[in-house]
Amino acid sequence: DTEVTQTPKHLVMGMTNKKSLKCEQHMGHRAMYWYKQKAKKPPELMFVYSYEKLSINESVPSRFSPECPNSSLLNLHLHALQPEDSALYLCASSQTSGGQETQYFGPGTRLLVL
Amino acid sequence: AQKVTQAQTEISVVEKEDVTLDCVYETRDTTYYLFWYKQPPSGELVFLIRRNSFDEQNEISGRYSWNFQKSTSSFNFTITASQVVDSAVYFCALSELFRDNYGQNFVFGPGTRLSVLP
Repeated sequence: DTEVTQTPKHLVMGMTNKKSLKCEQHMGHRAMYWYKQKAKKPPELMFVYSYEKLSINESVPSRFSPECPNSSLLNLHLHALQPEDSALYLCASSQTSGGQETQYFGPGTRLLVL
Repeated sequence: AQKVTQAQTEISVVEKEDVTLDCVYETRDTTYYLFWYKQPPSGELVFLIRRNSFDEQNEISGRYSWNFQKSTSSFNFTITASQVVDSAVYFCALSELFRDNYGQNFVFGPGTRLSVLP
């Protein structure tokens, strides 16, 4: 089973709202990732968690706040977003982060900020 | 710095035609991995294949085949007898290790949008 699930599938929020994106995997993977993908562009890495610890933050604004409550779950908390943050947010996982592992992606959350 | 180029922005073919998607990469690492992912309109990135830099054996899997040539830094992907369901954006990616070895980054190419017409 190489399934990564993400909820919600779609999200519309105002600039003053607070919302969260959720990601879950049950493959026993110890590395999890958040990517942002704008239309007609490749995914861009935002955060990497390795063994539930944040290991990489690719200069993402503080209005995006990741959280890894356990090895299977990854959240992305959103607050005071801007319209330019509208995008597809993809979660991925891989067995470990130290090797050059295949990343398995979820279906994404399509976010629209009004 | 690592870089992945997919020169073909969009390709249209008629069903049953063969189509090759090009990928050229740059890296100074001696050990690296290359990947192909497919992204249908639903949005999910579907893993297709992984190759490491020491394995230049080309592979055929059903209608898919891959041609890895280290000498030209290319990792091309061919679909034989294309079908409408193959319509998607295809991304080539190169893996690198972060400087502190605590994470893996995929350097994605810009993608090639394939449209297979009935």
